[in-house]
Amino acid sequence: DQQVKQNSPSLSVQEGRISILNCDYTNSMFDYFLWYKKYPAEGPTFLISISSIKDKNEDGRFTVFLNKSAKHLSLHIVPSQPGDSAVYFCAASAAGGGADGLTFGKGTHLIIQP
Amino acid sequence: EAGVTQFPSHSVIEKGQTVTLRCDPISGHDNLYWYRRVMGKEIKFLLHFVKESKQDESGMPNNRFLAERTGGTYSTLKVQPAELEDSGVYFCASSQERGTGKYFGPGTRLTVT
Repeated sequence: DQQVKQNSPSLSVQEGRISILNCDYTNSMFDYFLWYKKYPAEGPTFLISISSIKDKNEDGRFTVFLNKSAKHLSLHIVPSQPGDSAVYFCAASAAGGGADGLTFGKGTHLIIQP
Repeated sequence: EAGVTQFPSHSVIEKGQTVTLRCDPISGHDNLYWYRRVMGKEIKFLLHFVKESKQDESGMPNNRFLAERTGGTYSTLKVQPAELEDSGVYFCASSQERGTGKYFGPGTRLTVT
């Protein structure tokens, strides 16, 4: 039973355009959401996070949107750059309820085309 | 500031042997987590230490896995005896506080033959 779902295994975007990665969750206890970027043979790199009390968080080219009623979050990258090509993981935790371990999605492979 | 480090980077052992993985968190991070990624599957949570105490070990697969964090600094994860299905990449992560971003190490790739 997957509690965090990334339904797009891959996404191809042209350099300079906006990349939108989507994530859905089923566990209503999740109150903290994160996005990670991963290159092959490396550990996940923390990108940006959002608490359930917010609906948007922005950091440079990265913006995360949270729609709690739909149990959906998205990561926007604008403008997309070649170095953004990687696998992106959505993750969630129920930190407020004492379960601070992350539940991950299966990832979306983002390919930025020149 | 040094990131999370893990040792070894790669370990190949035979079924039935014992392996010990080590994780050094970012200095000052009280929270330490172990995760693993089995081939083709998502990254899964194993357990969470706060200092030297196990806060949550709900993800530990069975009693062949033993995690310790003596003194609240580095942590070890021992697999004894190893089975074929234990093969995968074991990640360690740390964070200063709960409910904040967790910083991952490069992982240890474990191959059980």
